[in-house]
Amino acid sequence: DVKVTQSSRYLVKRTGEKVFLECVQDMDHENMFWYRQDPGLGLRLIYFSYDVKMKEKGDIPEGYSVSREKKERFSLILESASTNQTSMYLCASPARTSYEQYFGPGTRLTVT
Amino acid sequence: QKEVEQDPGPLSVPEGAIVSLNCTYSNSAFQYFMWYRQYSRKGPELLMYTYSSGNKEDGRFTAQVDKSSKYISLFIRDSQPSDSATYLCAMSEVNTGFQKLVFGTGTRLLVSP
Repeated sequence: DVKVTQSSRYLVKRTGEKVFLECVQDMDHENMFWYRQDPGLGLRLIYFSYDVKMKEKGDIPEGYSVSREKKERFSLILESASTNQTSMYLCASPARTSYEQYFGPGTRLTVT
Repeated sequence: QKEVEQDPGPLSVPEGAIVSLNCTYSNSAFQYFMWYRQYSRKGPELLMYTYSSGNKEDGRFTAQVDKSSKYISLFIRDSQPSDSATYLCAMSEVNTGFQKLVFGTGTRLLVSP
């Protein structure tokens, strides 16, 4: 059974704080993705990684950075959190041989 | 105009009804089509996955793709209260290598007992 886990389900941070969101997958896949989900806007791709230490910007990378030091782990970093980054953050990774992406449970981040 | 359009709902139906959920898209390069189900405060879970045109059935769920009309559908037969969730369509181009998905905004479905 494929598994994508995220470090926190709920997080409350203050404006200006540095925030780390971690994602771990056990599918031994090269590709991992970070999305944010907002009402009326759906899921939007922030960053993705296609190998260790490799990363590509998605559709809305501003205000975010990522780190991929190990194949199974992909971190999303908010360098200086702002209130407009309050959102649901979802990590995803595909199964080994398909286009099917599997999602983690999500981290609901509130920035006050 | 968004690349993928999906009616946000909510769509309210009685238990046992047949439900039809739909998405339209503008990018003719999309070849892979998926439906995800998302319960409140949870991550999306893959429900159905189809390649190119045609139908695919899995229990009470049928996914349909009409590439000529750029239109995909998910049918749920004998709907149950446990089907109450948000349904997201997603699609990707062939040969991207990176499985970059484009999502609809989701349709919220409410099935009442």
